[in-house]
Amino acid sequence: QVQLVQSGAGVKEPGASVKVSCKPSGYNFIDYYIHWVRQVPGQGLEWMGWINPKTGNTKYAQKFQGRVTMTRDTSISTASLELSALTFGDTAIYHCARSTWNFHYFDFWGQGTLVTVSS
Amino acid sequence: DIQMTQSPSTLSASVGDRVTITCRASETVDRWLAWYQQKPGKAPKLLIYTVSNLQTGVSSRFSGSGSGTEFTLTINSLQPDDFGIYYCQQYFTSPYTFGQGTRLEI
Repeated sequence: QVQLVQSGAGVKEPGASVKVSCKPSGYNFIDYYIHWVRQVPGQGLEWMGWINPKTGNTKYAQKFQGRVTMTRDTSISTASLELSALTFGDTAIYHCARSTWNFHYFDFWGQGTLVTVSS
Repeated sequence: DIQMTQSPSTLSASVGDRVTITCRASETVDRWLAWYQQKPGKAPKLLIYTVSNLQTGVSSRFSGSGSGTEFTLTINSLQPDDFGIYYCQQYFTSPYTFGQGTRLEI
């Protein structure tokens, strides 16, 4: 069965960077895009961008341009999100999610990783 | 960015009721609209994609309709497990955006 298992994160200080990883299983890693969606606790969902695991191509939401980097390592079938210059407003649960290459709705999601920015 | 607005924000209903949640887009999203259900501490779960296509394994009590800028999610014969927050999402153009959510209380 399809699963996306996330790891990483924790508590970071303002100005630091954080890296969250996402390891899908149950399907061919390169056949689906990986998106990152964050959710401030108690609030809504915010799309951050996607990576094409086959090519490494990325597309980021304008809001995060310059601070976000999405990468993948096909040898270990893992996608990663790195967010730099953290502020208190980046405290959120970060989810990875899968989509087909042409229709960007999300049929499977990771369990979410809480990133807390605190001094 | 396309703004997605859901109504109502909160909905209280009883087991057996039929409920409808509306999602309006600030500009057309054609038919590229999905619905998700989220429960506390869990990731969102895909219910419907492309307006009215039921995701595999989702109860047929859920249905979707609409096009362009106005969409609805209908849940028939409400069950206790249907509580949660429901989100619409447009994937017509990036940045892909979500509605603010509708909290369904049973």
